Amino acid sequence: AQSVTQLDSQVPVFEEAPVELRCNYSSSVSVYLFWYVQYPNQGLQLLLKYLSGSTLVKGINGFEAEFNKSQTSFHLRKPSVHISDTAEYFCAVSDADYGQNFVFGPGTRLSVLP
Amino acid sequence: NAGVTQTPKFQVLKTGQSMTLQCAQDMNHNSMYWYRQDPGMGLRLIYYSASEGTTDKGEVPNGYNVSRLNKREFSLRLESAAPSQTSVYFCASSELNDEQYFGPGTRLTVT
Repeated sequence: AQSVTQLDSQVPVFEEAPVELRCNYSSSVSVYLFWYVQYPNQGLQLLLKYLSGSTLVKGINGFEAEFNKSQTSFHLRKPSVHISDTAEYFCAVSDADYGQNFVFGPGTRLSVLP
Repeated sequence: NAGVTQTPKFQVLKTGQSMTLQCAQDMNHNSMYWYRQDPGMGLRLIYYSASEGTTDKGEVPNGYNVSRLNKREFSLRLESAAPSQTSVYFCASSELNDEQYFGPGTRLTVT
């Protein structure tokens, strides 16, 4: 079974500064990896996903993530954040062969300060 | 294209009451899911349906039942609500292995 760790429950950062949200996973099988964003009182929407191919994945709103198989990590980065990026971010992993094992991390609350 | 819709948006129940949360998707996805979200715990899978006619338990199924009515609709039933079931409930749909599309959620309070 897979598991996901998001080491930082809260990340405060000033506007226009860079940010990295960390995600580590454990799995004995090949995985697919996802980052979702949840704005207040809304459902989750996909930021980006890694299924195969290039390990650097670009998503919406200027976010990108890099899959590192040796470190079992999939950290999310943005070079310059905006106030509107304030939200909760969830990393998720699924079994590449049996996609029903879809596991979410506990989330990281990103607060962008003026 | 509405995506994933959920009804109701809000609900308050008394302990012991029952209710059904409705979910529908118009993306022709085979798989559908019910999650609950509690502060600091991320999303926890209650039940899922890999395809029409099948349902399976997730991480936290106790106190819930589900019905995959057809390919579009997947309902979640609380037979006898308890305060521990106070939560935000999300429905999602997907094709196998790929990203899940989420509904807007149902905020349930059990008093």
